[in-house]
Amino acid sequence: DIQMTQSPSSLSASVGDRVTITCRASRRISNYLNWYQQKPGRAPKLLIFAASRLQSGVPSRFSGSGSGTDFTLTISSLQPEDVATYYCQESDSTPYSFGQGTKLQIK
Amino acid sequence: EVQLVESGGGLVQPGGSLRLSCAASGFTFRSDWMSWVRQAPGKGLEWVANINQDGSETFYVDSMKGRFTISRDNAKNSLYLQMNSLRAEDTAVYYCARDLAVKEVYYETVRHYYHMDVWGTGTTVTVSS
Repeated sequence: DIQMTQSPSSLSASVGDRVTITCRASRRISNYLNWYQQKPGRAPKLLIFAASRLQSGVPSRFSGSGSGTDFTLTISSLQPEDVATYYCQESDSTPYSFGQGTKLQIK
Repeated sequence: EVQLVESGGGLVQPGGSLRLSCAASGFTFRSDWMSWVRQAPGKGLEWVANINQDGSETFYVDSMKGRFTISRDNAKNSLYLQMNSLRAEDTAVYYCARDLAVKEVYYETVRHYYHMDVWGTGTTVTVSS
């Protein structure tokens, strides 16, 4: 099975900051990588698929990059509504493992 | 409106069984792969299983193989998860999700990018005596 490791596990940033979350796969997965946002008490929401494709309706301040084993989710200008936990997930082969999550808070 | 609604969660004793259901509406259910994902209290997301469009292919995470069975009834637009031999560590919110595939041709090979674009609100399963 592929192991997904996110860093950091948590971070705190100010409104307007550029925020970067990284995800590393235990083996090469090309660009079979998705990102989800989960707010407390809510179901996850798809942000990015195929490493860099923005899901319809997701604000353009979210972007994804990477290929192979190393991936990045970037929020270009942090907004208060972005407080959430973010998860990466590989879709190269089942089981489609998730990273452990990155909890994002506002300073 | 595209929607998924889970049901069937509840309190069950260790060793017991439970069947979760997920009712789909607003899209052509029989055309898509479907998945179950769970989240233990205060923990991260864990992919459980998925099933192809006609139910002929199923995949599971190793820890649930032999105990959980995913199935679907396309005539009823419904997805199911039969859970047997339940343990305390199966306590979680269980989500169903549509596993949408975007197909692309990449250097003469076809790639399918699966991603869970529609999620239900979840149903809570508590395994406790």
